[in-house]
Amino acid sequence: GAVVSQHPSWVICKSGTSVKIECRSLDFQATTMFWYRQFPKQSLMLMATSNEGSKATYEQGVEKDKFLINHASLTLSTLTVTSAHPEDSSFYICSALHRDSYQPQHFGDGTRLSIL
Amino acid sequence: AQSVTQLDSQVPVFEEAPVELRCNYSSSVSVYLFWYVQYPNQGLQLLLKYLSGSTLVESINGFEAEFNKSQTSFHLRKPSVHISDTAEYFCAVSDSRGGGTSYGKLTFGQGTILTVHP
Repeated sequence: GAVVSQHPSWVICKSGTSVKIECRSLDFQATTMFWYRQFPKQSLMLMATSNEGSKATYEQGVEKDKFLINHASLTLSTLTVTSAHPEDSSFYICSALHRDSYQPQHFGDGTRLSIL
Repeated sequence: AQSVTQLDSQVPVFEEAPVELRCNYSSSVSVYLFWYVQYPNQGLQLLLKYLSGSTLVESINGFEAEFNKSQTSFHLRKPSVHISDTAEYFCAVSDSRGGGTSYGKLTFGQGTILTVHP
């Protein structure tokens, strides 16, 4: 089945550090990837839609200069949290859409980001 | 725009009992419907989906959901739950029309935590 790998699974870093999270579709090509943020005991909040070869589309209220998204190939999208602060601590999850089928989205296992 | 309401935030049940997790949605366009399961500190796994055809869809581990267009519902059921079914379950919808800025976007419900007790 379709597999999405997300790395790292857990990261702890100091305030002010920039953190990069990778999302890879391992056995399929994904023209579209999505980045979500999930707060404890809450649902997933869509942050942005990442399309291969073009700029990401951010949801309202998401700072695009804070959360940099790059979708350089059909199998890789990255989210960089720039100058991270404690309020950026959260669970970040990516998902990917198969190039040749509409649904469903396949999700990565998430990245737990803790900013000290 | 779509919205999804999961009516129960927590559902405790005993092992081998039946369970129903409720999901209602609102949309001005036709939709695809999904149930995802999330185990602690993990991403989401697709449980089942309704795209078209039969309104009753089943998963390989005994869950089923029925699309009811008139009631705009997609409730998830299992006749006999196991301890291993303890997890959080998310109902989600997406626009079934192709293309446009809403392509592939999922709108999630708030989640239902299913806890199965021995």
